[in-house]
Amino acid sequence: EIVMTQSPATLSVSPGERATLSCRASQSVSTDLAWYQQKPGQAPRLLIYDASTRATGIPARFSGSGSGTEFTLTISSLQSEDLAIYYCQQYKHWPPITFGPGTKVDIK
Amino acid sequence: QVQLVQSGAEVEKPGASVRVSCKVSGYRLRELFMHWVRRAPGKGLEWMGGFDPEEGKNVYARKFQGRVTMTSDTSTNTAYMDLSSLTSEDTAVYFCASLPVRFIQGLVYYSGMDVWGQGTTVTVSS
Repeated sequence: EIVMTQSPATLSVSPGERATLSCRASQSVSTDLAWYQQKPGQAPRLLIYDASTRATGIPARFSGSGSGTEFTLTISSLQSEDLAIYYCQQYKHWPPITFGPGTKVDIK
Repeated sequence: QVQLVQSGAEVEKPGASVRVSCKVSGYRLRELFMHWVRRAPGKGLEWMGGFDPEEGKNVYARKFQGRVTMTSDTSTNTAYMDLSSLTSEDTAVYFCASLPVRFIQGLVYYSGMDVWGQGTTVTVSS
């Protein structure tokens, strides 16, 4: 089973600043990695798939990069509505599909 | 566009079973590859299982094998997730989600779970 880890656990960022979230896989997943945003009381929303492709309707301030075992989600200019938990997920080697533990983004 | 609408909240006693439904609109269920994910209070997202097109069947996470069954009724365009032998550890919000699949030159490509149901809260309490 591929274990996903994320850092930091919590990130406090001022509106307009850049937020950088990290995700690491226990073995290579190539670029078979997605990022999701989950706001309180809502279902997760797909932001990025294939490590760097924005899903339909996702604002350009969200970008993904990386391959192999190291990945990054960047929010270029944080907006107040970006308060959420962000999860990475690998779908290279499954079952099982595995998620990271999440990074909570707070607005400073 | 595709919409997934789940059944309402459930309260069950320990040892009981629960069924959560996920009705598909805007698409044919047989053309979707449905998965189930849950989130327990204070915890992260956990994949429970879903349809594996390479195996041609549903596959389940090891921790749920023997307790979970995922089925679908194409006549009503509805997917179901049954979970048995419930304990308090199964208290969670359960989501259905579709995982698109592309078949290119004999290879299978995935692209993240793009459509999600709204979630169904299952509470297990005596």
